[in-house]
Amino acid sequence: QVQLVESGGGVVQPGRSLRLSCAASGFTFSAYGMHWVRQAPGKGLEWVAVIWYDGINTYYEDSVKGRFTISRDNSKNTLYLQMNSLGAEDTAVYYCARERGSYIYLYDMDVWGRGTTVTVSS
Amino acid sequence: QSALTQPASVSGSPGQSITISCTGTSSDVGGYNFVSWYQQHPGKAPKLMIYDVSKRPSGFSNRFSGSKSGNTASLTISGLQAEDEADYYCSSYTSSSTLDFGTGTKVTVL
Repeated sequence: QVQLVESGGGVVQPGRSLRLSCAASGFTFSAYGMHWVRQAPGKGLEWVAVIWYDGINTYYEDSVKGRFTISRDNSKNTLYLQMNSLGAEDTAVYYCARERGSYIYLYDMDVWGRGTTVTVSS
Repeated sequence: QSALTQPASVSGSPGQSITISCTGTSSDVGGYNFVSWYQQHPGKAPKLMIYDVSKRPSGFSNRFSGSKSGNTASLTISGLQAEDEADYYCSSYTSSSTLDFGTGTKVTVL
């Protein structure tokens, strides 16, 4: 079945880096744009970044621009989020999510993973 | 980017109808028909329930409906049921080619 599984979360010190992965299965990964969305403890959803199906276009939320990089390896059916210069404000559950439409950017997400937790603390 | 504004909480009795508002600007909600709504139960991932302002994914109950007027979108839940108790988030495409989520609304079934 269609599935997204995130990994790579953990506890990291302020200023350090972390790379999250999202393994996709059950659908043609290379046909879909992919998003990262995060949720701080007890807070609401916050969109982080998107990468189009072909990897050519990427867009970021302002607070992570220049620090986070979204990428994908369509040969491995895997989405990544490289996070640098982490701060306490980046502590959250990070979800990867699939764009609803294939070969098009429809600006919503119809399949979500269960999330991976990132805690930034000294 | 600014979060879209939603009421923090809305409540209703079983069988009643409730409406959740989502207010943005002409650069997001008011400028595009790319408003979506997500339902999130505690400890679970969000689920897409409305897209393109008013369309429902297959399999999602028709008790949920969406609309938009100007810079404000709305989600209406009819025939409120116990399982509708959850957090609800709107989202909108923005003129910066990004997405904004709403602040979130906790729905309580009395």
